[in-house]
Parts: sequence; C-alpha cells; structure tokens
Amino acid sequence: GAVVSQHPSRVICKSGTSVKIECRSLDFQATTMFWYRQFPKQSLMLMATSNEGSKATYEQGVEKDKFLINHASLTLSTLTVTSAHPEDSSFYICSAVVRGRDYGYTFGSGTRLTVV
Amino acid sequence: DQQVKQNSPSLSVQEGRISILNCDYTNSMFDYFLWYKKYPAEGPTFLISISSIKDKNEDGRFTVFLNKSAKHLSLHIVPSQPGDSAVYFCAAKRSGGGADGLTFGKGTHLIIQP
Repeated sequence: GAVVSQHPSRVICKSGTSVKIECRSLDFQATTMFWYRQFPKQSLMLMATSNEGSKATYEQGVEKDKFLINHASLTLSTLTVTSAHPEDSSFYICSAVVRGRDYGYTFGSGTRLTVV
Repeated sequence: DQQVKQNSPSLSVQEGRISILNCDYTNSMFDYFLWYKKYPAEGPTFLISISSIKDKNEDGRFTVFLNKSAKHLSLHIVPSQPGDSAVYFCAAKRSGGGADGLTFGKGTHLIIQP
C-alpha cells in the first residue's frame, strides 16, 4: 500500500533555532501533500497544502514566513519551522493524496516537536 | 469555529458489544467523510469512508452511517475488540473535486473493556 515516511519522529530544539521536517512518499508520486498540527487533546488542524513545483497554500492564521514549505519533487515535501518558540511545540503530521484512489489520504507517522 | 464535532471525548464499551461513535458537521460543502484511528505519537490510520451520496458503507466490523439532513454520521464497530482501543477521528472533505485538506473533529477515545 501507499506509505508516507516522515522524519524525524521527535525533535527537541532550542528557542530561536529552525527545524526541518521531511515527508516522503515511498512508493507513489504525491503531487499534493498536506501539513497538519495537533495540540494535546485537540483535533488535527490543517496548516497548509503543498503542491509540487508551486507555492504552498496556507490556511488562515498560519504564518507562511514561520512555517516554510518546500515541495521540490513528487516524492518529498519539507516543513521548516523557523525561529521556533515554545508555543510552536506540537505534533506535526503530513499527509499525501494517493493518485488513482478516490480521496485516499495517507498520513505520515508524525513529528513531536519540543522547543525549549 | 469547529466545523466537525465529536462531542464525546471518551467512550467505554465492553468487549464483544457494539461501539458507536458519533460525529456532527456544520459545513454543507462537505461531501466526503472519513474515519481514522490514531494512537499517541502516530499518524492516523484510515478506517472507512462514505460519500455524501450514500447513507451507509460497510467494511467488515466497521459500518459508517450518514444522515445528511441531520448533518450527522456515526461509526459502528461490532463486535468490539481490545485492539480497537484508540482515539477515533471523524474527518470531512469539501466538495469541489480537487485535493483539499481534511477538517477533523477532536476525536473520541474509545476504551474497550475486557
């Protein structure tokens, strides 16, 4: 089946530094990927839609200069949290749409970011 | 504004019995609904989905019912098994044909008791 690989699974960084999270589609091409964020006991909130070869589309309230998304190839999308602060600590998850399957959304395993 | 609502944060069901998880939505533009199972620190795993043109979809122990007029859907798991213990998320997709991101509810923590 379609697999989305997300790395790292967890990262701890100092306040003010930047962190990059990678999301790869392993056995299919993902023209579109999505990035979500989940706070404890909350729902997964869509942050942005990443389209291969074009600029990402951000949801309202999400700072595009803080959460940089790059989708340079059909199998890789990256999310960079720039100048991270403790309030950015969260669980970040990527998702890809599998071509050829009706609305087949496959999710990565998530990244636990802790900013200290 | 929570467009997808799961009003029960948790649900406890005895093994072998039926588990019914409920979900309500407010956005009439949603035309496709999905249920996911999730463990802590892991990504969601797809369970079952339903298009707005249907009122029922069944896959093994899982059945999803959609009441479009009430903007309500439910997931039935029968019989419930210990391995079903997890957080279940209801998600919805807007109509339009494109690849849109999903809108999720807050989840219901299902606990199957032996």
